[in-house]
Amino acid sequence: SQQGEEDPQALSIQEGENATMNCSYKTSINNLQWYRQNSGRGLVHLILIRSNEREKHSGRLRVTLDTSKKSSSLLITASRAADTASYFCAPQPRSYNTDKLIFGTGTRLQVFP
Amino acid sequence: GAGVSQSPSNKVTEKGKDVELRCDPISGHTALYWYRQRLGQGLEFLIYFQGNSAPDKSGLPSDRFSAERTGESVSTLTIQRTQQEDSAVYLCASSFGTVYEQYFGPGTRLTVT
Repeated sequence: SQQGEEDPQALSIQEGENATMNCSYKTSINNLQWYRQNSGRGLVHLILIRSNEREKHSGRLRVTLDTSKKSSSLLITASRAADTASYFCAPQPRSYNTDKLIFGTGTRLQVFP
Repeated sequence: GAGVSQSPSNKVTEKGKDVELRCDPISGHTALYWYRQRLGQGLEFLIYFQGNSAPDKSGLPSDRFSAERTGESVSTLTIQRTQQEDSAVYLCASSFGTVYEQYFGPGTRLTVT
């Protein structure tokens, strides 16, 4: 499968702690994107990291990309109860003729107050 | 401006009936995607439209599924002779195209009884 594989599948932490989610994929990519989904409905884009980038920040979010290991991680610092959601990585394979993303099954994050 | 909208938000139909799901993308977005998400699962790619190019239909699970897009605007996903395994949330997303983030609609929850 060329989809992103998130690890862990589920994560429970206390408010204020950091949450780290990992993503592995199998093919060369143009970019890798992270999304959040609340309540099983629409996804919200968090960060896009290009294949020539190694790290990217957005507020309390930090994403790293290691193309040699075909892996990425999403770090949420100082987590809040509102961060409770499912998080998906979506690599965009370079081998495809089209620009679709391949979503994994996600990490379900629960942040307890 | 307005985001991606989908209608209906919920649809309950009897097995064997046909259904049409509608997606209105963000104005100016040339790319439009359809995904299916079964309960507790990740996103399953269905079909992708990019401008005037032939759509990528590689994710459609059977010939009961089809989709159309009028120019760079509204798209409809049609499921003929619905089956119970078609029950899922159907998500639509649009983007500016190559290597850009996707903006998701709220989804249509389809229940086949």
